[in-house]
Amino acid sequence: EVQLLESGGGLVQPGGSLRLSCAASGLTFSTYAMGWVRQAPGKGLEWVSAISGSGGNTYYADSVKGRFTISRDNSKNTVYLQMNSLRAEDTAVYFCAKSRWTTVTLFDYWGQGTLVTVSS
Amino acid sequence: DIVMTQSPDSLAVSLGERATINCKSSQSVLYSSNNKNYLAWYQQKPGQPPKLLIYWASTRESGVPDRFSGSGSGTDFTLTISSLQAEDVAVYFCQQYYSTPPFTFGPGTKVDIK
Repeated sequence: EVQLLESGGGLVQPGGSLRLSCAASGLTFSTYAMGWVRQAPGKGLEWVSAISGSGGNTYYADSVKGRFTISRDNSKNTVYLQMNSLRAEDTAVYFCAKSRWTTVTLFDYWGQGTLVTVSS
Repeated sequence: DIVMTQSPDSLAVSLGERATINCKSSQSVLYSSNNKNYLAWYQQKPGQPPKLLIYWASTRESGVPDRFSGSGSGTDFTLTISSLQAEDVAVYFCQQYYSTPPFTFGPGTKVDIK
């Protein structure tokens, strides 16, 4: 059974940084692209970033480009989201999700999410 | 980026009745080379992550009840719940995964019991 466990969320001041981690189990990790989707309180889903199975291709939403960096360590079955220059509008639950295939595409498994709050 | 819209924002349906949700993309998500629509539907219940229901616009994910069905092509799509059950109360999102990311989501449609 595929399981995704996010960690690293918390309260951070505007302009600060945070690194989210997502540990995956129950799958051949390097075979699948992975991604992050966020949901602001009471709002809809926003696609944030994704990375191919090899890590060679990365993609970002315009709203986070230049501030967030996605990476993965296939030896640790973990994907990361480094978030810098955080803003109040980045406050959200961040979900880690597994892509259906090696290339970035739809997400078929999701973690429970980790809450990031950006506030002074 | 492709913009996704959904209608209605919310709807209330009696138990056992049909619920219909519409999704529209700002450009076609039909890939001519394989005749597949790059459109997925997700269900999100309160306090839970989204769950994949349908992909390729009309293919049900394994384990999804057959009362859920997807249809449409090009830019206009529909999710139908043929006989609403109490456990179907949720927010439903469409998502396009056509071409290159970002793979945008629709704003969501909330389904409640009347």
